[in-house]
Amino acid sequence: KAGVTQTPRYLIKTRGQQVTLSCSPISGHRSVSWYQQTPGQGLQFLFEYFSETQRNKGNFPGRFSGRQFSNSRSEMNVSTLELGDSALYLCASSLGTIPDNEQFFGPGTRLTVL
Amino acid sequence: DAKTTQPPSMDCAEGRAANLPCNHSTISGNEYVYWYRQIHSQGPQYIIHGLKNNETNEMASLIITEDRKSSTLILPHATLRDTAVYYCIVRAIGTASKLTFGTGTRLQVTL
Repeated sequence: KAGVTQTPRYLIKTRGQQVTLSCSPISGHRSVSWYQQTPGQGLQFLFEYFSETQRNKGNFPGRFSGRQFSNSRSEMNVSTLELGDSALYLCASSLGTIPDNEQFFGPGTRLTVL
Repeated sequence: DAKTTQPPSMDCAEGRAANLPCNHSTISGNEYVYWYRQIHSQGPQYIIHGLKNNETNEMASLIITEDRKSSTLILPHATLRDTAVYYCIVRAIGTASKLTFGTGTRLQVTL
């Protein structure tokens, strides 16, 4: 079974631009979560989507948004990029059932904002 | 979700057991203990989880104390490929998929 895939793997943008990252979950998984990882803040939860609905949200500004499609693929968007948005963005998928909710992470997209 | 405390780093000789401790003294009765690891520049990898009984799988064993205030992840025969940052996370039953990562333990396996 294929794992979680994320595209692109690397991205360079400049301040003020916007970016869209994509995540394809494991087949049959209905939940997709997004995390940001930086050296200073570690791994931080952004949001989770389940069946095209945002089910949980972390403490990030409104510049960070996401969506999920009917095939469970998800995208996240960051508008008006800032230097501090440079990070590894990780996507994780799971069946979405509770309580056993093992998450499988993708390789991440490394975003550099210049 | 309850807060966890882990040592920042540990060393282990290859072939020996690696025992990684985690304190979660404020854990609630409905919270599971999860362990993930992250090898440099890769996404975190699920290892194991448990509620109150000890658990074992092909990767590791999880020992949870009777009062559930601490746990130990055991890698029975550490290899160089086990060098990674190991995260202990507690998460409530019935919550969505949010994982709250701490700073983890950086395990260095040496020859």
